[in-house]
Amino acid sequence: SQQGEEDPQALSIQEGENATMNCSYKTSINNLQWYRQNSGRGLVHLILIRSNEREKHSGRLRVTLDTSKKSSSLLITASRAADTASYFCATDPSGSRLTFGEGTQLTVNP
Amino acid sequence: DTAVSQTPKYLVTQMGNDKSIKCEQNLGHDTMYWYKQDSKKFLKIMFSYNNKELIINETVPNRFSPKSPDKAHLNLHINSLELGDSAVYFCASSQVSGATGELFFGEGSRLTVL
Repeated sequence: SQQGEEDPQALSIQEGENATMNCSYKTSINNLQWYRQNSGRGLVHLILIRSNEREKHSGRLRVTLDTSKKSSSLLITASRAADTASYFCATDPSGSRLTFGEGTQLTVNP
Repeated sequence: DTAVSQTPKYLVTQMGNDKSIKCEQNLGHDTMYWYKQDSKKFLKIMFSYNNKELIINETVPNRFSPKSPDKAHLNLHINSLELGDSAVYFCASSQVSGATGELFFGEGSRLTVL
């Protein structure tokens, strides 16, 4: 099974609403990363949070990390149609490679 | 300028054929990767090279052979293609090896085996 698992698998919201996606993982990590993938495109790095950090912001993105619960969340505030994409969390369980979750498909309706 | 570029973007071929995908990065990174994304968007690492040396080989059939002529290029050759090889293959690079930094991905090469 996967190291990282996103929840929900799919999320559909209206423009202007906030979107929250969650990621759970199994083993201890050094950092956790979030990536976005637009349809038919490559993955784009959004944010990296280290294991000793609890929260990080980047523009309309807010990421939290709870190492005791082995979980992270990605919040996108004031969503836009252009935010429609798949969002993946990635962790480094062995320290040698990034392992990706199965992604959350976010649809923002105009 | 494209940071990580892969060619071809689309590849349609028959079972049993051999095909190659090329990847180049102009970021000056030392580490390059091949990932495979299946139809459910599950992304799995296949190989990683650091300065032309193979550092990760993730239980991939030996029909898949990566080659890194220099640290800016990582190619993937696939022999005797099978239906299950149909997927999107992504090349990526990072400044450091391991999982401490961000990955920069190419746009993907969609392989369809008929």
